[in-house]
Amino acid sequence: AQKVTQAQTEISVVEKEDVTLDCVYETRDTTYYLFWYKQPPSGELVFLIRRNSFDEQNEISGRYSWNFQKSTSSFNFTITASQVVDSAVYFCALSVYNTDKLIFGTGTRLQVFP
Amino acid sequence: AAGVIQSPRHLIKEKRETATLKCYPIPRHDTVYWYQQGPGQDPQFLISFYEKMQSDKGSIPDRFSAQQFSDYHSELNMSSLELGDSALYFCASSLGLAGGFLDEQFFGPGTRLTVL
Repeated sequence: AQKVTQAQTEISVVEKEDVTLDCVYETRDTTYYLFWYKQPPSGELVFLIRRNSFDEQNEISGRYSWNFQKSTSSFNFTITASQVVDSAVYFCALSVYNTDKLIFGTGTRLQVFP
Repeated sequence: AAGVIQSPRHLIKEKRETATLKCYPIPRHDTVYWYQQGPGQDPQFLISFYEKMQSDKGSIPDRFSAQQFSDYHSELNMSSLELGDSALYFCASSLGLAGGFLDEQFFGPGTRLTVL
């Protein structure tokens, strides 16, 4: 069975602080995909990143960076110099090879205060 | 760029009524997914279609049915609505499992269903 755990229910930071959102996944499949989605207060789900299980390279996109470590089954997401507009619920998700569905974690609500 | 379109955006129904939600995928996307997100919950996979055939099924109640049409749009039909069906229903589209590798799913804005 597959599972995604986001242990942090809610995080509050002050603008310009760095913040890391944790994601731990479980799967017996050797080929799988990991995703991060952002859900702002308006409700839509915004795709941020996809990573497949054979690509452990960390990725940086502007203020966002992702740290994928198969050894610890983690796919953590860091926002550098956070901004108020980063306030949202962030979901980590998993999909295994040859299936369609995304299995979401329970989400982490990030609040960035000015 | 064109995005996934869902209609209606908001829907209010009474218990035991029926509802139909529509989804128009991004052009050239052949795979459609439906997810249900209850209040304060994570999205839960309901069902997916690839080339008009059901490709995967999750925790979709028997009262719900869905299909994908020849123009690739999809409809989720919900009957005998219950209070617990109140949720945000997302449709997503993708190029699906091209060669076994999963393309990213792009989500629509969602339909907020309220059952009174």
